[in-house]
Amino acid sequence: DTAVSQTPKYLVTQMGNDKSIKCEQNLGHDTMYWYKQDSKKFLKIMFSYNNKELIINETVPNRFSPKSPDKAHLNLHINSLELGDSAVYFCASSLRGGRGNTEAFFGQGTRLTVV
Amino acid sequence: GENVEQHPSTLSVQEGDSAVIKCTYSDSASNYFPWYKQELGKGPQLIIDIRSNVGEKKDQRIAVTLNKTAKHFSLHITETQPEDSAVYFCAAKGVQFYFGTGTSLTVIP
Repeated sequence: DTAVSQTPKYLVTQMGNDKSIKCEQNLGHDTMYWYKQDSKKFLKIMFSYNNKELIINETVPNRFSPKSPDKAHLNLHINSLELGDSAVYFCASSLRGGRGNTEAFFGQGTRLTVV
Repeated sequence: GENVEQHPSTLSVQEGDSAVIKCTYSDSASNYFPWYKQELGKGPQLIIDIRSNVGEKKDQRIAVTLNKTAKHFSLHITETQPEDSAVYFCAAKGVQFYFGTGTSLTVIP
């Protein structure tokens, strides 16, 4: 019973391609996130959605486009992939967004390698 | 926005010793401070958290302290075991989660 599941776990692709990473949570949470973890392990917020609506969009190139068809899903589509996009991408969810003080649950990550 | 600093970046301890990781934050409006453990190839998992109305919380070998005035919070692991080896992240949450830069803890058997 995986709480936050993302697919694929590994993704190797060539520069210039377009790819998507899917995320689903079965916790009934209202808020979902995408984080990027670079080679130094820094976890940086990319997007946050609350009830299918975008509430946070950090300084992310517009080649990255999140899509939330319903509050249980938050997919990440990346156009024109670049070498610098190589990283581990984590999806997460929490019961409440905003100033709600509830924990975030993370997926297992998607290791994206652009060659 | 919030700025969370975490120290040290790497920490090696002998099995059975204690480990302490410290974080500072900048936004006085942050009100929730979770700690996550990330094992190799996995996503971060919550190990303990503390809310702004509490100064200390303990769960078996793990404890967290919060000093809101100084904007400091710390993780203490006692009687460390090899399976405690991982990367640990602190975080501060106001509107969103801001993570520290991580501490790679190695427990030497």
